[in-house]
Amino acid sequence: DAKTTQPTSMDCAEGRAANLPCNHSTISGNEYVYWYRQIHSQGPQYIIHGLKNNETNEMASLIITEDRKSSTLILPHATLRDTAVYYCIVRVVNDYKLSFGAGTTVTVRA
Amino acid sequence: GAGVSQSPSNKVTEKGKDVELRCDPISGHTALYWYRQSLGQGLEFLIYFQGNSAPDKSGLPSDRFSAERTGGSVSTLTIQRTQQEDSAVYLCASSLASRGQGNTIYFGEGSWLTVV
Repeated sequence: DAKTTQPTSMDCAEGRAANLPCNHSTISGNEYVYWYRQIHSQGPQYIIHGLKNNETNEMASLIITEDRKSSTLILPHATLRDTAVYYCIVRVVNDYKLSFGAGTTVTVRA
Repeated sequence: GAGVSQSPSNKVTEKGKDVELRCDPISGHTALYWYRQSLGQGLEFLIYFQGNSAPDKSGLPSDRFSAERTGGSVSTLTIQRTQQEDSAVYLCASSLASRGQGNTIYFGEGSWLTVV
């Protein structure tokens, strides 16, 4: 019952922006879009989340389309340490039974 | 500390032994969660604590698994009579229970359990 669709993998050049797409065409009005990443052998790391407005923090920017059916996570200047599996999930505020799909394996190359 | 702290980071145990995994949530976070992630698998919800409310234990895979949270802070996940299929990374997470903030869930680094 995957609520999001992400590409399996993508490569990115170090120093360039990495744009990670996510489709969530069945998103409900009260569901947020969250992004996490998991670097090998580490716990999931929260990146950013949003409801309908674009968001930016020290790690990334999140662009959500006006119809909210898709979003893009932007890592503005990718580094080798950004190599990880990136997960896009949708959840309502009180939903704590998180479920990660396969995510996008991002490899940043020098 | 600033983040969710878990111990031990790695544990190798013999089949049939009991293990205890500890979690220190982020200070001030009232909600605490345990998840499990098996090799190459997705995240599996185990249990959820929120303040003084009865925990949601619906994700515990068997009665060999139990968890408690003392004083609304530290939590211990106990696995009795461990089996090889219990081998996984056990992730603890915490969050503020604030609707307005989207209730972001923050994870620890996990406790890697290997049952031999």
